[in-house]
Amino acid sequence: DVKVTQSSRYLVKRTGEKVFLECVQDMDHENMFWYRQDPGLGLRLIYFSYDVKMKEKGDIPEGYSVSREKKERFSLILESASTNQTSMYLCASSSNLEAFFGQGTRLTVV
Amino acid sequence: AQRVTQPEKLLSVFKGAPVELKCNYSYSGSPELFWYVQYSRQRLQLLLRHISRESIKGFTADLNKGETSFHLKKPFAQEEDSAMYYCALSGQGTYKYIFGTGTRLKVLA
Repeated sequence: DVKVTQSSRYLVKRTGEKVFLECVQDMDHENMFWYRQDPGLGLRLIYFSYDVKMKEKGDIPEGYSVSREKKERFSLILESASTNQTSMYLCASSSNLEAFFGQGTRLTVV
Repeated sequence: AQRVTQPEKLLSVFKGAPVELKCNYSYSGSPELFWYVQYSRQRLQLLLRHISRESIKGFTADLNKGETSFHLKKPFAQEEDSAMYYCALSGQGTYKYIFGTGTRLKVLA
């Protein structure tokens, strides 16, 4: 059973804080993704990684960075959290034909 | 530009009625098309993919390259089908999945 695990279900952070969202997968997938999910906007790709230490910007990378030091772990970093980054964040890993998602982290920035 | 369009934010049908969730895409090439579903308090999961030509939970989807559509259909809706449905594409030779804005399906008793 594929498992993609996000470290937190809920987070509340203050404006300006540096925030780390962690994601771990156990299926030895090369591809990993970070999306944010907002009502009416669907899933928007922030960053993705197709190999260790490799990353590419998605559609909305501004204000975010990522780290992939090990194949199983993909971290999303909010350098200085802002209220407009309040959202549900979804991590995924994929084989060629299917993406597997984590349970999501609901981040609130106050 | 690569894009997935789901024109309906909300679709309400009665139990036993047919369901069609619309999806149109824009992609220069031959994409892989998918439907993902998110039930209440559950993670997003794959429902079906076009290359498998399978029926999952009574749902089917046919890729129409002429109309660039991949509509999801079910002849008789069930209450347990109530969920959020996302259409997605992945381009050949790329790693990205592009999602639509989603359609919330409500099946009324």
